[in-house]
Amino acid sequence: DAGITQSPRYKITETGRQVTLMCHQTWSHSYMFWYRQDLGHGLRLIYYSAAADITDKGEVPDGYVVSRSKTENFPLTLESATRSQTSVYFCASSETLTDTQYFGPGTRLTVL
Amino acid sequence: QKEVEQNSGPLSVPEGAIASLNCTYSDRGSQSFFWYRQYSGKSPELIMFIYSNGDKEDGRFTAQLNKASQYVSLLIRDSQPSDSATYLCLLGGSQGNLIFGKGTKLSVKP
Repeated sequence: DAGITQSPRYKITETGRQVTLMCHQTWSHSYMFWYRQDLGHGLRLIYYSAAADITDKGEVPDGYVVSRSKTENFPLTLESATRSQTSVYFCASSETLTDTQYFGPGTRLTVL
Repeated sequence: QKEVEQNSGPLSVPEGAIASLNCTYSDRGSQSFFWYRQYSGKSPELIMFIYSNGDKEDGRFTAQLNKASQYVSLLIRDSQPSDSATYLCLLGGSQGNLIFGKGTKLSVKP
């Protein structure tokens, strides 16, 4: 089915471990985004990508790495997870930067 | 720093009433404005977008944009209990920055 998917949906890891969250969209949207959502902070943009091999920082990029080798995939890596990265992570995609964004179901990450 | 402000609520309205949700922003160059609804434990889903000053209606929802006063609002007519959710405004800024408000929690009481 067309849409945007995220995996895993739930993840528990330990401080210092590397974690990769996956995002896949089937619309061939140019833009893809990663957000984190925390109580009291709302949704904050981590990174976004305009096309394959083009990425840019958002509001809270520190501690995260992204890549986009294919248009449909946009993985987010926490190179050395910290407790402050415990959050719900949403991936989204859109045709243009200021177009409607369509969100994936989210990944709930807990860092112990 | 560019900001987007929303009253966190909760905003409580009786069923059948009009719910009014507001969002103010600091970036005068903001070009696109979106309202998303998010149910607890779910991902945000688009309700409406608006780019030009004035009102835009879609069923029970009306978005209002006033760039001079730097606010965008969402009116929900004939509110239903199923409208109970958190409403997020998203601004597409002048330099490509995207900023969400923290959201307003709406509760519609039967």
